[in-house]
Amino acid sequence: AQSVAQPEDQVNVAEGNPLTVKCTYSVSGNPYLFWYVQYPNRGLQFLLKYITGDNLVKGSYGFEAEFNKSQTSFHLKKPSALVSDSALYFCAVSAASGGSYIPTFGRGTSLIVHP
Amino acid sequence: DAMVIQNPRYQVTQFGKPVTLSCSQTLNHNVMYWYQQKSSQAPKLLFHYYDKDFNNEADTPDNFQSRRPNTSFCFLDIRSPGLGDAAMYLCATSRDLSTPSAYEQYFGPGTRLTVT
Repeated sequence: AQSVAQPEDQVNVAEGNPLTVKCTYSVSGNPYLFWYVQYPNRGLQFLLKYITGDNLVKGSYGFEAEFNKSQTSFHLKKPSALVSDSALYFCAVSAASGGSYIPTFGRGTSLIVHP
Repeated sequence: DAMVIQNPRYQVTQFGKPVTLSCSQTLNHNVMYWYQQKSSQAPKLLFHYYDKDFNNEADTPDNFQSRRPNTSFCFLDIRSPGLGDAAMYLCATSRDLSTPSAYEQYFGPGTRLTVT
């Protein structure tokens, strides 16, 4: 079975500082990895994905994520955080074989950016 | 703009009174999902349709049913809501499941269900 771990319930960062939201995964076969963001009382919004190719993936709103196969990680990063980035972030994994193509979500990490 | 629409955004129902939540999409995606999300937890998949094929998660209670009359619409029926069913219900779509590049999901804004 595939799984995702987001080890931090909450990440606090000052505006203008770099941010990292951690994600590790477990899946048989090749992983397909996703990050979503959820603002209060809204649905999830797709940020970026890794399917194949370059390990550094760039997405919406200046976010990027790095796929690290040896560490089975897909951490979300942004060079300079904004207060408006404060939200709930979900990592998800799918697998075409040895798992399910239906994404499995992590429990989410609350990002709080302080002015 | 192409999107996923959920109605209503807020729904109040009484304990045991059937309720239906609706979802429509203008993306022409093949796959539609229903998720239940409680208080900032991970969304919990209830079921999904791949075109007309219905797929129920093993732990989805029988109290929850779904219908997809056509590509654009999908409904979630809760036959006898209990207090524990109060949650945000999210509808999502994805273009296809035949290629990983199409796995990404597009979510509606959600319907917050209150059970009194």
